[in-house]
Amino acid sequence: AQSVTQLGSHVSVSEGALVLLRCNYSSSVPPYLFWYVQYPNQGLQLLLKYTTGATLVKGINGFEAEFKKSETSFHLTKPSAHMSDAAEYFCAVNSNTDKLIFGTGTRLQVFP
Amino acid sequence: EAGVVQSPRYKIIEKKQPVAFWCNPISGHNTLYWYLQNLGQGPELLIRYENEEAVDDSQLPKDRFSAERLKGVDSTLKIQPAELGDSAVYLCASSLRGLDTQYFGPGTRLTVL
Repeated sequence: AQSVTQLGSHVSVSEGALVLLRCNYSSSVPPYLFWYVQYPNQGLQLLLKYTTGATLVKGINGFEAEFKKSETSFHLTKPSAHMSDAAEYFCAVNSNTDKLIFGTGTRLQVFP
Repeated sequence: EAGVVQSPRYKIIEKKQPVAFWCNPISGHNTLYWYLQNLGQGPELLIRYENEEAVDDSQLPKDRFSAERLKGVDSTLKIQPAELGDSAVYLCASSLRGLDTQYFGPGTRLTVL
């Protein structure tokens, strides 16, 4: 069975600091992995996805994530946080089905 | 290109009343999904359509929930009767086909009093 664990329901950083949001997955087959962002009262927007090939994936708004099979991880990073990055972030896995399994989310706060 | 459209955005009803949500997917997208998002949680799939066919409704509480996707385009999700525990955000998403990127609508926030 597939599952996603997001470590840390809340992460706080200062503006300009590194953002690191953690995601570990469980899958019996090679997974497709996703990061979505959700701003207040809005739907989910795709930040980036990994399917096959290069394990370092670049997304929108300066975010990137690295697929590490040996660690079953897909952590999301951004070198320098902006105030506009404050939102809820969801990691998701899809293992050759059409069902996205989401983590419980990480709320990112950015302080000036 | 227009995104996934949902209406209403907000709905407040009393328990035991019926309620319906509407979704218009991105043009040309064959696969449509309804998700339930409880407060502080990630979305959970309720039902998935491939064109007009519901191909995965295993998580849909069929005693009170129903859905349809006539003509393989728009979809309606209905709850009858609503219970207090149904208060949540109902998200619709669409993709060109299974395993493609899913694009989400803004959701309908339901409050049951």
